[in-house]
Amino acid sequence: GAVVSQHPSRVICKSGTSVKIECRSLDFQATTMFWYRQFPKQSLMLMATSNEGSKATYEQGVEKDKFLINHASLTLSTLTVTSAHPEDSSFYICSAPRSESGREQYFGPGTRLTVT
Amino acid sequence: GQSLEQPSEVTAVEGAIVQINCTYQTSGFYGLSWYQQHDGGAPTFLSYNGLDGLEETGRFSSFLSRSDSYGYLLLQELQMKDSASYFCAVSSNQAGTALIFGKGTTLSVSS
Repeated sequence: GAVVSQHPSRVICKSGTSVKIECRSLDFQATTMFWYRQFPKQSLMLMATSNEGSKATYEQGVEKDKFLINHASLTLSTLTVTSAHPEDSSFYICSAPRSESGREQYFGPGTRLTVT
Repeated sequence: GQSLEQPSEVTAVEGAIVQINCTYQTSGFYGLSWYQQHDGGAPTFLSYNGLDGLEETGRFSSFLSRSDSYGYLLLQELQMKDSASYFCAVSSNQAGTALIFGKGTTLSVSS
């Protein structure tokens, strides 16, 4: 069964509003989680690293004030897309390393965001 | 810069063997992973190479040559359910957790 969940699976919002996406590790603790963005038929782009107890680390070109990340607990990270615009429409996926080695990532099922 | 190159599409028939190559150029390298993703689904882990050589997991094997910045995924005894996108990914931090993905290879298996 799934070991990483995301909620919601799909969301439609209007331009200018904010949307929160949750990522949960179901039967393990994750001090680090990752957020990716994927456009149709394209690769996954790492957006940021979510760190429990400290600030997120953002990849170059990702606006930290637009994509707010909060690692609220050892099993929950949230991504808030603020003041969403149509170009933010995408598939957002989180992942968490299950083992200490971190080499095997478990991905959530993704959240399809559509901004109208 | 960071770049991973892999073929965009591969087609094969059931029972065949397919090799998907990946060459990479990244600022940091701590291992090469392979993930499978079906349409609309989550990527699932297939294999990891931290050192040179071959790793075998059932029908799937993966190879790495760090000196050549090259790896491949070998899929044997192809089945229809193997039709999916396959991504190579470089671990860009020492913990091996931050992944830089290639653009993906779409594998189509026909009967």
